[in-house]
Amino acid sequence: DSGVTQTPKHLITATGQRVTLRCSPRSGDLSVYWYQQSLDQGLQFLIQYYNGEERAKGNILERFSAQQFPDLHSELNLSSLELGDSALYFCASSVAPGGEGGELFFGEGSRLTVL
Amino acid sequence: DAKTTQPNSMESNEEEPVHLPCNHSTISGTDYIHWYRQLPSQGPEYVIHGLTSNVNNRMASLAIAEDRKSSTLILHRATLRDAAVYYCILRAGLGGNEKLTFGTGTRLTIIP
Repeated sequence: DSGVTQTPKHLITATGQRVTLRCSPRSGDLSVYWYQQSLDQGLQFLIQYYNGEERAKGNILERFSAQQFPDLHSELNLSSLELGDSALYFCASSVAPGGEGGELFFGEGSRLTVL
Repeated sequence: DAKTTQPNSMESNEEEPVHLPCNHSTISGTDYIHWYRQLPSQGPEYVIHGLTSNVNNRMASLAIAEDRKSSTLILHRATLRDAAVYYCILRAGLGGNEKLTFGTGTRLTIIP
């Protein structure tokens, strides 16, 4: 158990819909990261937050948005869903935002299926 | 982002040492070398990281070349539970490009 909690574990929805994925980081971790993993794309970095502020951005679509709340939990919002958005979405957390901060702890992921 | 190059796949016998190579010729002075692994149906798991000196922990050892353009993850005695995809990643220190970008990794198969 990494200490990172992601909900829901599984989600099935239809094209055009909107979903919210939630992540609770490990106690004491200030930085949260979101990754998307699909079969043909591997692990793709989406976005990183540190203590409520956006820190780094990857190839996150405009239809996707995220935020980190004062209690440090984070939400990833996916809207106007397309079939290609079906993937595993991972959240990770770390104490510090940079490489010297050591390891990222990953949650078990939220599996999104868009039909 | 500085890129890393890893073999797509490797095989090793159980209870033998495994050396997983990684080339990162464009590494900058402030980049840390991180290794993660992903077991089937699980999220990535941290293995080890280092900057310049070799590092050891309970899971593995990390050997970093003197010029830092390559590194090797060493599993001292592979078990079947070590079968996973291993990712070598460069990550800037604070103030740099801090995101952790995964490549395609090396799929390690352990032969009983």
